[in-house]
Amino acid sequence: AQKVTQAQTEISVVEKEDVTLDCVYETRDTTYYLFWYKQPPSGELVFLIRRNSFDEQNEISGRYSWNFQKSTSSFNFTITASQVVDSAVYFCASTGGFKTIFGAGTRLFVKA
Amino acid sequence: GAVVSQHPSRVICKSGTSVKIECRSLDFQATTMFWYRQFPKQSLMLMATSNEGSKATYEQGVEKDKFLINHASLTLSTLTVTSAHPEDSSFYICSASFPRPGAGEYTEAFFGQGTRLTVV
Repeated sequence: AQKVTQAQTEISVVEKEDVTLDCVYETRDTTYYLFWYKQPPSGELVFLIRRNSFDEQNEISGRYSWNFQKSTSSFNFTITASQVVDSAVYFCASTGGFKTIFGAGTRLFVKA
Repeated sequence: GAVVSQHPSRVICKSGTSVKIECRSLDFQATTMFWYRQFPKQSLMLMATSNEGSKATYEQGVEKDKFLINHASLTLSTLTVTSAHPEDSSFYICSASFPRPGAGEYTEAFFGQGTRLTVV
């Protein structure tokens, strides 16, 4: 069965600090996708990144970077030099077959 | 990326009435659509999966007679909350997907903006 675990419920940082959000997944599928979404207070899901199971390359996009390690079933997300606008709930998700299963989410507070 | 539109974004209804939420794929044909529910400060929980032209598959614990799902076309799925009660107040969000060439059955899902339902 699919499962996504985000052990960090809430994280609070001061602006300009780096912060890493952890994600551990479980799946029996050999082919699957992993995602990160941001959910600001308005509620909509903002797509951040998709990674398929065959692509373990890390990725950097501006202040965001992702570390995918199949050996530890982890797909961690780092925000460098955090900003107040980064405050939101961040969800890690996994798709195997057609279903997308979400982790519990990590609420990030960035204080000025 | 593909666009999914959900309507309405907010709805307030009286207890006992029914509410319909629409989910449309605007620029692609969605063979499969999903409905999620999110209670305050909680994660998104999958309610049901619907394939065009067939009955929806509900997750364990979701009442299919209360949450009616219709996926009559490749661009539209509707969720009707029947005889709504205050405990049904929640954020409902849909997603749609389609098979990508060469990707087999694995494909990303595109999410609507969500509908905040308040039952008073």
